[in-house]
Amino acid sequence: DTGVSQDPRHKITKRGQNVTFRCDPISEHNRLYWYRQTLGQGPEFLTYFQNEAQLEKSRLLSDRFSAERPKGSFSTLEIQRTEQGDSAMYLCASSYGLAGGGTGELFFGEGSRLTVL
Amino acid sequence: AQTVTQSQPEMSVQEAETVTLSCTYDTSENNYYLFWYKQPPSRQMILVIRQEAYKQQNATENRFSVNFQKAAKSFSLKISDSQLGDTAMYFCAFMKGWVNTNAGKSTFGDGTTLTVKP
Repeated sequence: DTGVSQDPRHKITKRGQNVTFRCDPISEHNRLYWYRQTLGQGPEFLTYFQNEAQLEKSRLLSDRFSAERPKGSFSTLEIQRTEQGDSAMYLCASSYGLAGGGTGELFFGEGSRLTVL
Repeated sequence: AQTVTQSQPEMSVQEAETVTLSCTYDTSENNYYLFWYKQPPSRQMILVIRQEAYKQQNATENRFSVNFQKAAKSFSLKISDSQLGDTAMYFCAFMKGWVNTNAGKSTFGDGTTLTVKP
């Protein structure tokens, strides 16, 4: 297994455009998380899935953000009508749930950097 | 809601010396996990060390050890014999939960940038 992969690694877009990021987790992991990180800050939680079910979504997340994990494997994060404040690194992580014998450790991808002009 | 505070935005240490990074957290939970993650420049974040709140013994991983003070809600990371490859941003993280239950998300602090000088 090559770990968590994210695509694209970099995205430059104009304000008002829609963007979509993809995350492929470690195949045997049942949990998938999306975080946002801006320069000099820690990762900020956006949402997470257990298998295909979206279990929690940050209240800070506007309706312009949506995430899916249709078959419990890869996930997509879409941002509609992007704003300059959306510029950030979007991190995906996967893990085993604790109930499944996991340790709580998150395995991160390298992130997708979004720049909104 | 849980909060994690790292009060040292930047630190530096000479190669081969010891450095301690601080972390405090606020929670009303009794069962939880604490983590230190390392994010090297332009590289992905990886786990350094993990501590279960129900364990009194401090976790150690080679040159990395923690000082977990549950009553004080403090979780510091000590790096011994610092190496140039330890240069990175270090994040403290909190996850509520208990073994055999479905815990939720991890909450991260804002990080400490550590520079190891030759």
